[in-house]
Amino acid sequence: GAVVSQHPSWVICKSGTSVKIECRSLDFQATTMFWYRQFPKQSLMLMATSNEGSKATYEQGVEKDKFLINHASLTLSTLTVTSAHPEDSSFYICSAISYGYTFGSGTRLTVV
Amino acid sequence: AQTVTQSQPEMSVQEAETVTLSCTYDTSESDYYLFWYKQPPSRQMILVIRQEAYKQQNATENRFSVNFQKAAKSFSLKISDSQLGDAAMYFCAFSDNTDKLIFGTGTRLQVFP
Repeated sequence: GAVVSQHPSWVICKSGTSVKIECRSLDFQATTMFWYRQFPKQSLMLMATSNEGSKATYEQGVEKDKFLINHASLTLSTLTVTSAHPEDSSFYICSAISYGYTFGSGTRLTVV
Repeated sequence: AQTVTQSQPEMSVQEAETVTLSCTYDTSESDYYLFWYKQPPSRQMILVIRQEAYKQQNATENRFSVNFQKAAKSFSLKISDSQLGDAAMYFCAFSDNTDKLIFGTGTRLQVFP
């Protein structure tokens, strides 16, 4: 079946630094990928839709300058959290469409 | 905007018994998809079952079945013969022609031996 590989699985960074999260479709081409954020014991909130070769579409309330999304190839989308702060600490999950939605395993970001 | 509501933050069931998780949604679209996802402690999202809105027949996957009431915009999940491994967070989700997947707030299911 379709596999989406997400790295890193966890990362700790210092406040003010930037962190990049990668999401790769391993055995299919993903024209569109989605990025979600999940706070502890809460639901997945859609942050943005990533489209290959074009700008991402952000959901209302999501800071596009804080969460930079790049989808430069049909198999790779990246989410960069810029100038991270403790309130950005969360669980980030990507997904892609391939005969249904396939999810990455998620990235736990802790900003200290 | 589409919304998905799960009114049961937590549910519990005895092993081998049956439990039903509730979900309602709101949309003005006529063509859409509904899903139930399971999120175990590993936090990997696992598809449990999917329903196309144009299909009147309720979807079934082994011990998992849904009660899809389109007019009432209700989509409940029934888990039969509950197993300890069914314990997890369950999310109801909706997608339309935008392909965006919108999740409900989730229901934490506990299974007692």
